[in-house]
This record gives sequence, structure tokens and C-alpha cells, in this order.
Amino acid sequence: GAGVSQSPRYKVAKRGQDVALRCDPISGHVSLFWYQQALGQGPEFLTYFQNEAQLDKSGLPSDRFFAERPEGSVSTLKIQRTQQEDSAVYLCASSILAGGREQFFGPGTRLTVL
Amino acid sequence: GQQVMQIPQYQHVQEGEDFTTYCNSSTTLSNIQWYKQRPGGHPVFLIQLVKSGEVKKQKRLTFQFGEAKKNSSLHITATQTTDVGTYFCAGSSNNDMRFGAGTRLTVKP
Repeated sequence: GAGVSQSPRYKVAKRGQDVALRCDPISGHVSLFWYQQALGQGPEFLTYFQNEAQLDKSGLPSDRFFAERPEGSVSTLKIQRTQQEDSAVYLCASSILAGGREQFFGPGTRLTVL
Repeated sequence: GQQVMQIPQYQHVQEGEDFTTYCNSSTTLSNIQWYKQRPGGHPVFLIQLVKSGEVKKQKRLTFQFGEAKKNSSLHITATQTTDVGTYFCAGSSNNDMRFGAGTRLTVKP
């Protein structure tokens, strides 16, 4: 596609439910990043993939958060047993280079946990 | 760990006035990037600075990277209503990227 796409765009979950957020990066982009953006804040780094390898997951807030990119293209961010503090916009970004320089962001998934 | 601080948090200007936002990192950066996010939108890449003391211009926007590669600034000359949005710096060292909290710019026509 022409840009980074994310689905769903909006997700409402009951506390305790599991959710899966999908990111389709720009074709051929080596690097893929996940960020969490709370209202009025900057994107907070969650995790980074170079192709299929998860090179940095230091930003994942707890072991309830899990990300994968098994074939080096599409990535899924999974949140288990969601809690209200997980409510945020989850942004995915991709970059053509390893290490990530100019990043192209998707529209984000707005997650609301009730 | 690496932290990126950005000031001011908000800036309200009259159309035609200048605007500057500042970014400071707790560690030396390999590069710094600037992004703009319009209300309801997602961050859009503006520029990347790599060299110590580097200055780059894009029309009315001037970007600077400090000599120590720990701070940066974005200056907009003669703001227009289309400049409205939140400007983020993002500092990179190794493979990660750390965003500042952003400066929200509003412009009164």
C-alpha cells in the first residue's frame, strides 16, 4: 500500500479482555516500531523490530504486552487482560532503514478499556 | 535511560509572530528528528539532523542541532494558521527512538 495501515482504527474492550492490534508497514521497510500515545503526550516507545527480529522490547510496560512480526512484514501487538490504564492510541511506524531513521506513522488504533 | 525533554508545552501566537520549541536530551544523540502532528492526526516526519552544530532550513522552518548533540531547536518564522499542531522532537541513540512530550502550537488569525 501507499502508507502504513493499522486495524482496527478504534477498539473498545472490557477490562480483562485480550486485544490484538495489527500493523501493515510500507512494503520493503525493514524497521517497525510500536508506540503508545496518551492524550496530550508524545509517543512512548514500546518495541522495535528489524525484519522479523524483535531487537528492543524495553518499552513494553508489562508482560501483558506482546508483539510479533513473524514474517518481517505485518506486525501484531497483543495486550492480554486489558486494564483501564492501557487506554491510549497505539501507533505503528515503519522505516526503510535498519535502526529506523525517517519513520512513517500509521493512523493509530485508539483503544478504550472500560 | 535516555530522556528527551521539550519546552514549552504550549505556545499561543498571533499569526505572523515567530515560534520556537526546544528539545534537550539527557544523553548524547546519534541523530534527532522532528515531527508534526495535526489535531486528530498522526506524526509526520519533518527533518533529521545528524551532524554536530547542523542547521537545516525548510522554507519558514529552521532546525538546529547543538554542538554537543544533546539539544535541538525548531524555529518558525512568521507563523501561519497552517502551522497549527504539535511539534515533537525524537532523539535516537542505538536503535531506539525517544520522543519529547511535544509543543502544542496554536495560531490566532
